[in-house]
Amino acid sequence: EDKVVQSPLSLVVHEGDTVTLNCSYEVTNFRSLLWYKQEKKAPTFLFMLTSSGIEKKSGRLSSILDKKELSSILNITATQTGDSAIYLCAVKKGNNRLAFGKGNQVVVIP
Amino acid sequence: GAVVSQHPSWVICKSGTSVKIECRSLDFQATTMFWYRQFPKQSLMLMATSNEGSKATYEQGVEKDKFLINHASLTLSTLTVTSAHPEDSSFYICSARPGQDTDTQYFGPGTRLTVL
Repeated sequence: EDKVVQSPLSLVVHEGDTVTLNCSYEVTNFRSLLWYKQEKKAPTFLFMLTSSGIEKKSGRLSSILDKKELSSILNITATQTGDSAIYLCAVKKGNNRLAFGKGNQVVVIP
Repeated sequence: GAVVSQHPSWVICKSGTSVKIECRSLDFQATTMFWYRQFPKQSLMLMATSNEGSKATYEQGVEKDKFLINHASLTLSTLTVTSAHPEDSSFYICSARPGQDTDTQYFGPGTRLTVL
């Protein structure tokens, strides 16, 4: 059975803090790992990772994949209240389907 | 670019009626569209995968006769919840993939269905 596990499930930080979110997976025929940010409605795409060790960055967000450890981390530096959201990790499998984790709920307080 | 729309954004219906939800890719052609359901405080659950011009592939446990999916064109897929019941109340999200060579999916804004 495919598993995508995210930790921590929820956390509260102050503005300016750095957040590190973890996603570990056990899936058959791994193809890629994707991170999404979900606020009030549907998720918005953040990153897609296919190769180990190559960091992807977008502003204050960055992510990296470790295929040996079957995991990925998503970092958010200098957090702002607008970063409050659920961050979803999804793994794309060989059959082109996505398996989602339960999400990391991040609350940034002023 | 890569915008996916859903209509309606929310709908309230009576038990026993059918509801149709549309998913459109506005500025690209989507060979594959996916339908997800989200329960409160839970992750997205894939319901079915639809490819243009062919029958949808349903995930285990999803009733194909209850959740009818049609992908008649490269820009439109519809999900019809037939004979809706209160337990069908949920947030339904579609996503669209521009081609076979990409893993990226673009999500629609979702449709909140409430069955009374």
